[in-house]
Amino acid sequence: NAGVTQTPKFQVLKTGQSMTLQCAQDMNHEYMSWYRQDPGMGLRLIHYSVGAGITDQGEVPNGYNVSRSTTEDFPLRLLSAAPSQTSVYFCASSTGQSHNGYTFGSGTRLTVV
Amino acid sequence: AQSVAQPEDQVNVAEGNPLTVKCTYSVSGNPYLFWYVQYPNRGLQFLLKYITGDNLVKGSYGFEAEFNKSQTSFHLKKPSALVSDSALYFCAVRDKSGGSYIPTFGRGTSLIVHP
Repeated sequence: NAGVTQTPKFQVLKTGQSMTLQCAQDMNHEYMSWYRQDPGMGLRLIHYSVGAGITDQGEVPNGYNVSRSTTEDFPLRLLSAAPSQTSVYFCASSTGQSHNGYTFGSGTRLTVV
Repeated sequence: AQSVAQPEDQVNVAEGNPLTVKCTYSVSGNPYLFWYVQYPNRGLQFLLKYITGDNLVKGSYGFEAEFNKSQTSFHLKKPSALVSDSALYFCAVRDKSGGSYIPTFGRGTSLIVHP
């Protein structure tokens, strides 16, 4: 049981480049979310999904896109990378009841130069 | 709206002493409350949750948390700290009344246990 798998673990981008952070879960969880973690800021919600085909914006969605074509996958796209997007990104999933805890991926450390 | 506050950026405690990491919350209705731990260069791991019932909740690694509705608090506790408990701890809240079903996280508290 792999849980939540994020790829890549590390990435360096140049300003203006685009890329996709991958997230996959094998637990048949309906809810999936993307967070960014910055020092002193805690976890901030970027986008989330309550099921395949359904996505919504979180607290800091600008500069990011998501899609949820399957239950398993929830990729996060950076459209035109900026230094302000340098962060650690976490994907998380949970069951529909959602009073269960989230299962988190191990994170992607992104640096934009 | 839902929010959570962790008033301490850092908590220092000697090994063997009891520890408390504070969390207060705000929701419109009744809360689901969670604690997570993050070790260096790792993702967050679920520690424990309060859904309903007994105000004292026991979780992984000997941790427990006390739900206090009148003070809107959910402090994390452990009777005897270990050096290996040193990590970043996050409190999270979700309003039972619905909405986005997505929890809100606090900013985190760094726990440092000294030998």
